[in-house]
Amino acid sequence: QQQVKQSPQSLIVQKGGISIINCAYENTAFDYFPWYQQFPGKGPALLIAIRPDVSEKKEGRFTISFNKSAKQFSLHIMDSQPGDSATYFCASIYNFTKFYFGSGTKLNVKP
Amino acid sequence: DTAVSQTPKYLVTQMGNDKSIKCEQNLGHDTMYWYKQDSKKFLKIMFSYNNKELIINETVPNRFSPKSPDKAHLNLHINSLELGDSAVYFCASSQGGQGRTEAFFGQGTRLTVV
Repeated sequence: QQQVKQSPQSLIVQKGGISIINCAYENTAFDYFPWYQQFPGKGPALLIAIRPDVSEKKEGRFTISFNKSAKQFSLHIMDSQPGDSATYFCASIYNFTKFYFGSGTKLNVKP
Repeated sequence: DTAVSQTPKYLVTQMGNDKSIKCEQNLGHDTMYWYKQDSKKFLKIMFSYNNKELIINETVPNRFSPKSPDKAHLNLHINSLELGDSAVYFCASSQGGQGRTEAFFGQGTRLTVV
């Protein structure tokens, strides 16, 4: 059973546009929701994260929107740049040590 | 200084061989993990160690065995390698508590079984 479902699988956005990636989770016991960014040949790196008692968190051009009742959260990348082209993973964490990752979204920002 | 380092970065080996991948973290974290990333980029948890005790052991073949000599190291040993073991293996570490936790990943080891 997949604990975290991520969509879309791939995304093409023009430079300056908004990239939106969505995730839905099953377990209401999850207590932390990070997003990871992975460039080719590198390990995933933490981008931004949110706790379930917060509805939105913004860091620079990156925003997480969190809807606890719908058990959904999304990553918004404003003013998308070619350097943002990477694979993005959402994750849900239970009991601080159990990480459940989404299936990944490959973002391509066209110049 | 690299936070989570794993060696080797590339590993090419023949079917049936036994190999190990080493991982070290200098972050003082109490939990370390091994993940397998397949060709479709899906990240699958294999093992995690917390204070030298195995706390997650997903349904991976028993040919895979994690070994943790101390809190800063979690090595992955693989016996009788198979073609399907070809993937990128990532080591990670985290320190949980206080309402937040983050996993820091190594650069990955690309294993190719021929």
